[in-house]
Amino acid sequence: EPEVTQTPSHQVTQMGQEVILRCVPISNHLYFYWYRQILGQKVEFLVSFYNNEISEKSEIFDDQFSVERPDGSNFTLKIRSTKLEDSAMYFCASRTEGTDTQYFGPGTRLTVL
Amino acid sequence: AQSVAQPEDQVNVAEGNPLTVKCTYSVSGNPYLFWYVQYPNRGLQFLLKYITGDNLVKGSYGFEAEFNKSQTSFHLKKPSALVSDSALYFCAVRDRTGSARQLTFGSGTQLTVLP
Repeated sequence: EPEVTQTPSHQVTQMGQEVILRCVPISNHLYFYWYRQILGQKVEFLVSFYNNEISEKSEIFDDQFSVERPDGSNFTLKIRSTKLEDSAMYFCASRTEGTDTQYFGPGTRLTVL
Repeated sequence: AQSVAQPEDQVNVAEGNPLTVKCTYSVSGNPYLFWYVQYPNRGLQFLLKYITGDNLVKGSYGFEAEFNKSQTSFHLKKPSALVSDSALYFCAVRDRTGSARQLTFGSGTQLTVLP
């Protein structure tokens, strides 16, 4: 069964450094999402991406964040200058046209020191 | 704004007993509701959804959920719990504004099934 994959599983970085989180959505899916889950808190929507552009973003997704689909398979989330409060689990999700069901990857745990 | 609430942080049930994980929602218009499960160190796995139709929705691993419009609830149920059902369960509602269809999640309920 196709799955969403994410790399790395755990990323440790120093405050102020740039990080790139990578996701490979399910191959025939067209809609891509990033969510995050701060430890002990609920899963929060960050951004959605369709047809090579952002379709929706939350207040969390400020100028420090960017997303890109650099090729036909990868979908990336970049944080330009990480802050301590960016420490969280980041989930990628994807869905196909005509369905509401999103399929999630296993997540990347980002730790900012 | 739409929201979902999961009033219980923790639910404990004995193996073989029925289980219920509660969820209530607040949306304008008809809701699109989902349940996801998260096992330790794993991503969110889709269990079931309600879009329209029968109020009782059946999903993966023997789970079902009952949509109740008058009580604005979408409780997750299983007739006979297994120890392997122990996990974190999230209720979610789909955004009805815009085209992205992003999900708004509840705070999660930790289900522990005791042997």
